[in-house]
Amino acid sequence: NAGVTQTPKFQVLKTGQSMTLQCAQDMNHNSMYWYRQDPGMGLRLIYYSASEGTTDKGEVPNGYNVSRLNKREFSLRLESAAPSQTSVYFCASSPVYNEQFFGPGTRLTVL
Amino acid sequence: AQSVTQLDSQVPVFEEAPVELRCNYSSSVSVYLFWYVQYPNQGLQLLLKYLSGSTLVESINGFEAEFNKSQTSFHLRKPSVHISDTAEYFCAVSDPSYQKVTFGTGTKLQVIP
Repeated sequence: NAGVTQTPKFQVLKTGQSMTLQCAQDMNHNSMYWYRQDPGMGLRLIYYSASEGTTDKGEVPNGYNVSRLNKREFSLRLESAAPSQTSVYFCASSPVYNEQFFGPGTRLTVL
Repeated sequence: AQSVTQLDSQVPVFEEAPVELRCNYSSSVSVYLFWYVQYPNQGLQLLLKYLSGSTLVESINGFEAEFNKSQTSFHLRKPSVHISDTAEYFCAVSDPSYQKVTFGTGTKLQVIP
């Protein structure tokens, strides 16, 4: 039981490049989330998926897209990376009561 | 709309001393409350949660938090901290009818030997 896994762990991009962050969970949770963490700002929700086949915008969705590929997988895509997207990205999944289980994170630097 | 305020961004405390990390929330409905801990270069882990029932909840490593509805607070306490408690702590609130959680900005607990 791996919990929530994320790939890659680290990534450096140049401005304008694109990339996809992958997330998978093996806990049979319905809900999945993408957050970004920046110093002094806590966690901010980018997108979430309450169930397979649905996605919704969170607090800071601009510049990102998501795909809920199946119940296990939820990917985050940066179409044209910008320096403001330099951050640590966390994926999480949730059963009932909104208790969230987090992955180890992806550290992204955009030059 | 719901929000969470963690007024202290950093809390230094000597080893074996008590500590309190403050959390206040605002919400128009009844809520679920959580404390998460983040060790360096790791993801967040659930420390404890309040869903209903007893307003005092405890974790397995000696932390406790008390839900105070009148003061809309959920402060985290530990009577005697250890070096291994050095981490960042996040308070979070959710509305049971939604699938979203709102996090505070975090409090870094630094335990001094």
